[in-house]
Amino acid sequence: EDKVVQSPLSLVVHEGDTVTLNCSYEVTNFRSLLWYKQEKKAPTFLFMLTSSGIEKKSGRLSSILDKKELFSILNITATQTGDSAVYLCAVGLIQGAQKLVFGQGTRLTINP
Amino acid sequence: DGGITQSPKYLFRKEGQNVTLSCEQNLNHDAMYWYRQDPGQGLRLIYYSQIVNDFQKGDIAEGYSVSREKKESFPLTVTSAQKNPTAFYLCASSIGLLRGVYKEQFFGPGTRLTVL
Repeated sequence: EDKVVQSPLSLVVHEGDTVTLNCSYEVTNFRSLLWYKQEKKAPTFLFMLTSSGIEKKSGRLSSILDKKELFSILNITATQTGDSAVYLCAVGLIQGAQKLVFGQGTRLTINP
Repeated sequence: DGGITQSPKYLFRKEGQNVTLSCEQNLNHDAMYWYRQDPGQGLRLIYYSQIVNDFQKGDIAEGYSVSREKKESFPLTVTSAQKNPTAFYLCASSIGLLRGVYKEQFFGPGTRLTVL
């Protein structure tokens, strides 16, 4: 059974801190790993990673994939209250269609 | 503005009733998806469609049905056979693999369904 596990499930930090969110996976037919941010409703896309060791960066957010150890991390530096959200990790499969398998999500709370 | 719309935002249903959730996209995407999200859980795939007039069951299709008569629209019907339908339902779309492109899925704002 395809499985994606995120940790921690919940994290509370102070504004300005740096956080690291983890995502490990066990799937067949791996194609990509995606990170989404969900604040209230629609998840919004952050990154798609397909190759090991290549860091993707967008402002204070960055992510990297390790296909040998089957995990990814999402780093957020100098956190702001607007970073408070649920961060979802999903693994994209190739099974004749672009299916995503999601982890449970990490709820991140940034206190001022 | 291109995007995905879902309606209604909130929906209340009595036990034994079928309800239909709407999903429309104007992104010219071939593929569309329906997910269910329960508290403390990730998104689970209900149905997906790669092209008009074709769709496949996802991981939790029992008690649900879909149609894909138009490229822009992918409505989901929650039938009375769905034992625990109270959840947050998200629709998504992507360019799709038929064009040989692998890109991210875009999500709509969701419909929160409550069974009374």
